[in-house]
Amino acid sequence: DAKTTQPPSMDCAEGRAANLPCNHSTISGNEYVYWYRQIHSQGPQYIIHGLKNNETNEMASLIITEDRKSSTLILPHATLRDTAVYYCIVRSYSGGYQKVTFGTGTKLQVIP
Amino acid sequence: DAGVIQSPRHEVTEMGQEVTLRCKPISGHNSLFWYRQTMMRGLELLIYFNNNVPIDDSGMPEDRFSAKMPNASFSTLKIQPSEPRDSAVYFCASSPLPGTDTQYFGPGTRLTVL
Repeated sequence: DAKTTQPPSMDCAEGRAANLPCNHSTISGNEYVYWYRQIHSQGPQYIIHGLKNNETNEMASLIITEDRKSSTLILPHATLRDTAVYYCIVRSYSGGYQKVTFGTGTKLQVIP
Repeated sequence: DAGVIQSPRHEVTEMGQEVTLRCKPISGHNSLFWYRQTMMRGLELLIYFNNNVPIDDSGMPEDRFSAKMPNASFSTLKIQPSEPRDSAVYFCASSPLPGTDTQYFGPGTRLTVL
Protein backbone atom coordinates (compact mmCIF):
# COMPACT_ATOMS: atom_id res chain seq x y z
CA ASP A 1 0.00 0.00 0.00
CA ALA A 2 1.11 3.53 -0.68
CA LYS A 3 2.52 5.58 2.16
CA THR A 4 0.68 8.67 3.37
CA THR A 5 2.04 11.85 4.93
CA GLN A 6 -0.02 14.08 7.21
CA PRO A 7 0.84 17.07 9.38
CA PRO A 8 1.14 15.96 13.01
CA SER A 9 -1.27 18.56 14.37
CA MET A 10 -3.69 21.32 13.42
CA ASP A 11 -5.95 23.77 15.18
CA CYS A 12 -9.35 24.94 13.98
CA ALA A 13 -11.78 27.46 15.44
CA GLU A 14 -15.16 26.08 16.36
CA GLY A 15 -17.70 26.67 13.60
CA ARG A 16 -15.06 27.09 10.93
CA ALA A 17 -14.17 24.57 8.27
CA ALA A 18 -11.35 22.20 9.11
CA ASN A 19 -9.22 21.24 6.11
CA LEU A 20 -6.95 18.29 6.75
CA PRO A 21 -4.38 17.54 4.04
CA CYS A 22 -2.86 14.21 3.11
CA ASN A 23 -0.08 13.44 0.70
CA HIS A 24 -0.05 10.07 -1.06
CA SER A 25 2.26 10.66 -3.99
CA THR A 26 2.94 6.95 -4.59
CA ILE A 27 -0.70 5.94 -4.85
CA SER A 28 -1.48 3.47 -7.59
CA GLY A 29 -4.46 3.32 -9.88
CA ASN A 30 -6.52 0.82 -7.89
CA GLU A 31 -5.91 2.28 -4.45
CA TYR A 32 -8.61 4.12 -2.56
CA VAL A 33 -8.16 6.95 -0.10
CA TYR A 34 -9.88 6.42 3.24
CA TRP A 35 -10.24 8.64 6.24
CA TYR A 36 -10.82 7.48 9.81
CA ARG A 37 -10.72 9.36 13.07
CA GLN A 38 -10.07 8.34 16.64
CA ILE A 39 -11.56 10.29 19.49
CA HIS A 40 -9.61 9.98 22.71
CA SER A 41 -8.71 6.28 22.81
CA GLN A 42 -12.01 5.10 21.37
CA GLY A 43 -11.92 2.75 18.41
CA PRO A 44 -11.24 4.45 15.08
CA GLN A 45 -14.35 5.60 13.25
CA TYR A 46 -14.80 5.53 9.48
CA ILE A 47 -15.44 8.93 7.92
CA ILE A 48 -15.30 8.75 4.13
CA HIS A 49 -13.44 7.23 1.21
CA GLY A 50 -12.92 7.87 -2.51
CA LEU A 51 -11.04 6.73 -5.58
CA LYS A 52 -10.73 9.76 -7.83
CA ASN A 53 -13.94 11.72 -7.61
CA ASN A 54 -14.75 14.12 -4.80
CA GLU A 55 -17.05 12.62 -2.23
CA THR A 56 -19.42 14.03 0.36
CA ASN A 57 -21.43 12.46 3.15
CA GLU A 58 -23.11 13.65 6.30
CA MET A 59 -19.81 13.88 8.15
CA ALA A 60 -17.35 15.36 5.70
CA SER A 61 -16.18 16.03 2.16
CA LEU A 62 -13.19 14.47 0.48
CA ILE A 63 -11.35 16.34 -2.25
CA ILE A 64 -8.87 14.31 -4.28
CA THR A 65 -6.54 16.11 -6.69
CA GLU A 66 -6.70 15.20 -10.34
CA ASP A 67 -3.34 13.42 -10.23
CA ARG A 68 -4.52 11.64 -7.02
CA LYS A 69 -1.27 12.41 -5.26
CA SER A 70 -2.95 14.29 -2.46
CA SER A 71 -6.32 14.79 -0.84
CA THR A 72 -8.07 17.00 1.67
CA LEU A 73 -10.67 16.06 4.23
CA ILE A 74 -13.06 18.90 4.95
CA LEU A 75 -15.19 19.14 8.06
CA PRO A 76 -17.49 22.01 7.05
CA HIS A 77 -18.38 23.32 10.50
CA ALA A 78 -16.03 21.95 13.11
CA THR A 79 -17.36 21.37 16.62
CA LEU A 80 -15.54 20.57 19.83
CA ARG A 81 -16.58 16.96 19.37
CA ASP A 82 -14.50 16.82 16.20
CA THR A 83 -11.32 17.05 18.26
CA ALA A 84 -9.59 13.79 17.38
CA VAL A 85 -6.72 12.17 15.54
CA TYR A 86 -7.52 11.88 11.83
CA TYR A 87 -5.94 9.12 9.79
CA CYS A 88 -5.55 9.18 6.03
CA ILE A 89 -5.09 5.70 4.62
CA VAL A 90 -4.49 4.37 1.15
CA ARG A 91 -5.51 0.81 0.53
CA SER A 92 -6.31 -1.64 -2.18
CA TYR A 93 -8.06 -4.94 -2.35
CA SER A 94 -6.70 -7.88 -4.24
CA GLY A 95 -7.85 -11.46 -4.20
CA GLY A 96 -9.40 -11.62 -0.77
CA TYR A 97 -6.54 -9.89 0.94
CA GLN A 98 -6.79 -6.45 2.41
CA LYS A 99 -4.32 -4.69 4.60
CA VAL A 100 -4.74 -1.31 6.22
CA THR A 101 -1.78 0.59 7.58
CA PHE A 102 -2.57 3.47 9.88
CA GLY A 103 0.07 6.19 10.02
CA THR A 104 0.51 8.67 12.83
CA GLY A 105 -2.37 10.85 11.66
CA THR A 106 -3.18 14.50 12.32
CA LYS A 107 -4.27 15.57 15.76
CA LEU A 108 -7.03 18.13 15.20
CA GLN A 109 -7.78 20.45 18.08
CA VAL A 110 -11.01 22.41 17.73
CA ILE A 111 -10.77 25.59 19.75
CA PRO A 112 -13.83 27.31 21.28
CA ASP B 1 -27.14 -2.78 16.24
CA ALA B 2 -24.79 -3.39 19.16
CA GLY B 3 -21.63 -2.82 17.15
CA VAL B 4 -18.42 -4.75 17.72
CA ILE B 5 -18.25 -6.02 21.28
CA GLN B 6 -14.97 -6.59 23.08
CA SER B 7 -14.30 -8.03 26.50
CA PRO B 8 -12.88 -7.35 28.93
CA ARG B 9 -12.60 -3.57 28.57
CA HIS B 10 -9.68 -3.48 30.97
CA GLU B 11 -7.28 -6.23 31.97
CA VAL B 12 -4.45 -6.04 34.46
CA THR B 13 -2.26 -9.09 34.80
CA GLU B 14 1.17 -10.10 35.90
CA MET B 15 4.03 -11.02 33.65
CA GLY B 16 3.92 -14.66 32.63
CA GLN B 17 0.18 -15.04 32.91
CA GLU B 18 -2.06 -16.03 30.01
CA VAL B 19 -4.35 -13.34 28.68
CA THR B 20 -7.38 -13.92 26.46
CA LEU B 21 -9.14 -11.07 24.72
CA ARG B 22 -12.54 -11.62 23.16
CA CYS B 23 -14.39 -10.09 20.26
CA LYS B 24 -17.89 -10.42 18.86
CA PRO B 25 -18.11 -8.88 15.39
CA ILE B 26 -21.18 -7.25 13.96
CA SER B 27 -23.66 -9.89 12.83
CA GLY B 28 -23.34 -10.62 9.13
CA HIS B 29 -19.82 -9.25 8.81
CA ASN B 30 -17.39 -11.63 7.14
CA SER B 31 -14.04 -10.02 7.91
CA LEU B 32 -12.48 -9.55 11.32
CA PHE B 33 -9.33 -7.70 12.31
CA TRP B 34 -7.23 -7.48 15.45
CA TYR B 35 -5.16 -4.32 16.00
CA ARG B 36 -2.81 -3.18 18.73
CA GLN B 37 -2.24 0.46 19.63
CA THR B 38 0.65 1.90 21.63
CA MET B 39 2.08 5.37 21.92
CA MET B 40 5.35 4.26 20.38
CA ARG B 41 4.08 2.25 17.41
CA GLY B 42 0.62 3.65 16.79
CA LEU B 43 -2.12 1.39 15.44
CA GLU B 44 -0.80 -1.91 14.07
CA LEU B 45 -2.75 -4.65 12.30
CA LEU B 46 -2.00 -7.98 13.98
CA ILE B 47 -4.15 -10.46 12.08
CA TYR B 48 -7.05 -10.52 9.66
CA PHE B 49 -9.73 -13.21 9.19
CA ASN B 50 -12.00 -13.65 6.22
CA ASN B 51 -14.95 -16.04 6.64
CA ASN B 52 -13.35 -17.33 9.86
CA VAL B 53 -10.10 -18.21 8.08
CA PRO B 54 -6.88 -16.38 9.02
CA ILE B 55 -5.65 -14.63 5.90
CA ASP B 56 -2.67 -12.65 7.11
CA ASP B 57 -1.00 -12.98 10.50
CA SER B 58 2.24 -11.28 9.54
CA GLY B 59 1.57 -8.56 12.09
CA MET B 60 1.49 -10.95 15.03
CA PRO B 61 4.57 -10.00 17.03
CA GLU B 62 5.76 -13.46 18.00
CA ASP B 63 4.70 -16.97 18.88
CA ARG B 64 3.35 -15.86 22.22
CA PHE B 65 0.42 -14.36 20.34
CA SER B 66 -2.30 -16.51 18.80
CA ALA B 67 -5.75 -15.75 17.42
CA LYS B 68 -8.70 -17.95 16.61
CA MET B 69 -12.09 -17.50 15.06
CA PRO B 70 -14.09 -20.68 15.72
CA ASN B 71 -17.26 -19.26 14.22
CA ALA B 72 -18.59 -16.15 12.54
CA SER B 73 -19.62 -14.52 15.78
CA PHE B 74 -16.60 -14.94 18.01
CA SER B 75 -12.85 -14.45 17.99
CA THR B 76 -10.12 -14.57 20.60
CA LEU B 77 -6.64 -13.14 20.83
CA LYS B 78 -4.45 -14.96 23.31
CA ILE B 79 -1.08 -13.97 24.73
CA GLN B 80 0.83 -16.67 26.55
CA PRO B 81 2.99 -15.86 28.42
CA SER B 82 2.33 -12.15 28.68
CA GLU B 83 5.12 -9.60 29.07
CA PRO B 84 5.11 -5.94 30.14
CA ARG B 85 5.83 -4.83 26.56
CA ASP B 86 2.49 -6.31 25.53
CA SER B 87 0.73 -3.53 27.43
CA ALA B 88 -1.42 -1.72 24.89
CA VAL B 89 -4.97 -1.16 23.75
CA TYR B 90 -6.18 -4.02 21.56
CA PHE B 91 -8.93 -3.27 19.07
CA CYS B 92 -11.11 -5.66 17.16
CA ALA B 93 -12.81 -4.52 13.95
CA SER B 94 -15.17 -6.13 11.48
CA SER B 95 -16.30 -5.36 7.97
CA PRO B 96 -19.17 -6.70 5.87
CA LEU B 97 -17.28 -8.15 2.94
CA PRO B 98 -13.70 -8.66 1.82
CA GLY B 99 -12.40 -5.56 0.18
CA THR B 100 -15.25 -3.45 1.40
CA ASP B 101 -14.68 0.06 2.45
CA THR B 102 -15.58 0.35 6.09
CA GLN B 103 -14.13 -1.31 9.14
CA TYR B 104 -16.17 -0.96 12.31
CA PHE B 105 -14.05 -0.88 15.42
CA GLY B 106 -14.89 -2.06 18.90
CA PRO B 107 -14.19 -0.01 22.03
CA GLY B 108 -10.92 -1.81 22.68
CA THR B 109 -9.37 -3.71 25.57
CA ARG B 110 -6.76 -1.86 27.59
CA LEU B 111 -4.20 -4.44 28.70
CA THR B 112 -1.66 -3.75 31.41
CA VAL B 113 0.97 -6.36 32.12
CA LEU B 114 2.86 -5.72 35.35
